[in-house]
Amino acid sequence: AQSVAQPEDQVNVAEGNPLTVKCTYSVSGNPYLFWYVQYPNRGLQFLLKYITGDNLVKGSYGFEAEFNKSQTSFHLKKPSALVSDSALYFCAVKYGGSQGNLIFGKGTKLSVKP
Amino acid sequence: DAGITQSPRHKVTETGTPVTLRCHQTENHRYMYWYRQDPGHGLRLIHYSYGVKDTDKGEVSDGYSVSRSKTEDFLLTLESATSSQTSVYFCAINDGAGYNEQFFGPGTRLTVL
Repeated sequence: AQSVAQPEDQVNVAEGNPLTVKCTYSVSGNPYLFWYVQYPNRGLQFLLKYITGDNLVKGSYGFEAEFNKSQTSFHLKKPSALVSDSALYFCAVKYGGSQGNLIFGKGTKLSVKP
Repeated sequence: DAGITQSPRHKVTETGTPVTLRCHQTENHRYMYWYRQDPGHGLRLIHYSYGVKDTDKGEVSDGYSVSRSKTEDFLLTLESATSSQTSVYFCAINDGAGYNEQFFGPGTRLTVL
């Protein structure tokens, strides 16, 4: 069965430090992976996606993610965290090909302290 | 949230009453989705539509029905609301072209007393 795991409910980082939000997946076939961010009382906003090609994907707001097929992971990273990055982050995998639906992880709350 | 609106944004209702949530898009996208968001569960797919009058069930469809009579509107109905359906409901759209991402609406917070 397809699944996505975000092993950390919360990640705490000091402003200016690098951040990593972890995601692992289980899917048959080639994975199509996405990261979304949700600010309080808002809908989800798309950050970046991996479909094929370069394992390092760059996205919005300075975020990037590294696809690792052997470890079935797709960790979200940012070299220098900002207080404004504090939000809820969701990893998702698309199954069933290009027309398939998304399965979301449970989300990781990122807290960046000044 | 551009191009997607949800109404109402907040609703409080009582157990056993019918409730309809509306999603409206101005992007002319083919695919539309309804999710619910609950703490500890992330987002779970309720129903989706791949065209006018074409809908299918998602992971948590029990107790919900949907309709899509126009490209721009996707309705979610709780025929008889229960307290377990207290949640935040999100609509999403996708143009169905290859591996493009879904875009989400602002959400509807529903409380069933």
